[in-house]
Amino acid sequence: EAGVVQSPRYKIIEKKQPVAFWCNPISGHNTLYWYLQNLGQGPELLIRYENEEAVDDSQLPKDRFSAERLKGVDSTLKIQPAELGDSAVYLCASSRQTSGGGWNEQFFGPGTRLTVL
Amino acid sequence: QKEVEQNSGPLSVPEGAIASLNCTYSDRGSQSFFWYRQYSGKSPELIMFIYSNGDKEDGRFTAQLNKASQYVSLLIRDSQPSDSATYLCAVSKNNDMRFGAGTRLTVKP
Repeated sequence: EAGVVQSPRYKIIEKKQPVAFWCNPISGHNTLYWYLQNLGQGPELLIRYENEEAVDDSQLPKDRFSAERLKGVDSTLKIQPAELGDSAVYLCASSRQTSGGGWNEQFFGPGTRLTVL
Repeated sequence: QKEVEQNSGPLSVPEGAIASLNCTYSDRGSQSFFWYRQYSGKSPELIMFIYSNGDKEDGRFTAQLNKASQYVSLLIRDSQPSDSATYLCAVSKNNDMRFGAGTRLTVKP
């Protein structure tokens, strides 16, 4: 079974430029997460999808960040315009659909390391 | 107060020793508790989860949960150099997972 796929693995851009990250979850996983991880910190949730619905985007800075998961499979996270403080690793994770307060293991992709100059 | 707190370390133990990693959380309604291991430059991988008070053992790993004290720990017995990594504590409530900053563990041969 293939794992969570993310691209690109690395991205270097200048501030004020746009950038997009792509994630393909594990087949059959309905729940998809985007996290941001700064150096020396744990992952912080940006947005969670159940199928194509964003069920938790309270931590997504909506002035510059956007995300979509149009067909309930792969997802794109965009930043426009990027700022110096956006330099971090952006992690995508997926899990089987959760229900009734239960949980399913989240599997993480390799991440995209973004550097904003 | 952070939602999930861990000592950042580094924690250094000799090979074969027991490594003890600790975590406290602020939300008493938290339902599920996890330990992830993250090697440098890699993504987190789940190594243990626990729901109920008490101990849960899996091989060399034991997770301990005390909901009254809002405390969860991970013990690694017979530590190996390959256990050197950052260990992330995570707490979940209604599918909302919050991570601690992680404790960096070094196991010296």
